[in-house]
Amino acid sequence: QQQVRQSPQSLTVWEGETAILNCSYEDSTFDYFPWYWQFPRESPALLIAIRPVSNKKEDGRFTIFFNKREKKLSLHITDSQPGDSATYFCAAPTNSAGNKLTFGIGTRVLVRP
Amino acid sequence: EAAVTQSPRSKVAVTGGKVTLSCHQTNNHDYMYWYRQDTGHGLRLIHYSYVADSTEKGDIPDGYKASRPSQENFSLILELASLSQTAVYFCASSESQNTLYFGAGTRLSVL
Repeated sequence: QQQVRQSPQSLTVWEGETAILNCSYEDSTFDYFPWYWQFPRESPALLIAIRPVSNKKEDGRFTIFFNKREKKLSLHITDSQPGDSATYFCAAPTNSAGNKLTFGIGTRVLVRP
Repeated sequence: EAAVTQSPRSKVAVTGGKVTLSCHQTNNHDYMYWYRQDTGHGLRLIHYSYVADSTEKGDIPDGYKASRPSQENFSLILELASLSQTAVYFCASSESQNTLYFGAGTRLSVL
């Protein structure tokens, strides 16, 4: 069974700092790696995803860096804002069709004003 | 507005009883999923389906059954509920290889 590992489990940064969240996976049959975020008492929602024809995907203040050789990803949140406080989940596909996702346990991020 | 609707939103069940969680989507998506969320375990896939009348086992299917009678509806069935099945359950839909759209979740407490 695919293992998706995330670190750290929790992270506190000050407003304006860069938060770095890490993710690793054992194997992937399909190059598609999404990150979901979840606010307290809400459902998870897609934040950003990478289909690695390149090693980087940027969307505003959120950037995914992908290292296929090492099977690692990281999510960088630049200029962190208190509204970014949430739990972030990395996911990886575990079947060849790419539609069966395994999630990590998440990183809880707190941004202090 | 396209949506994934779960019912009930919360439920208290007795150990050994039968529980059915329902999910309805208006996204016209082929794929539907059931995940459970527990503190320290993230989201774990129980069952999923890519077509009506067919279901697939996820990563933790034991103790659960699933039913997909139509493209829009996907149910999760706990025939004999146990204490360990206390969790928040999320249904989701997607087009293949694309974004999962989650419902609001069902908080299940088994006593």
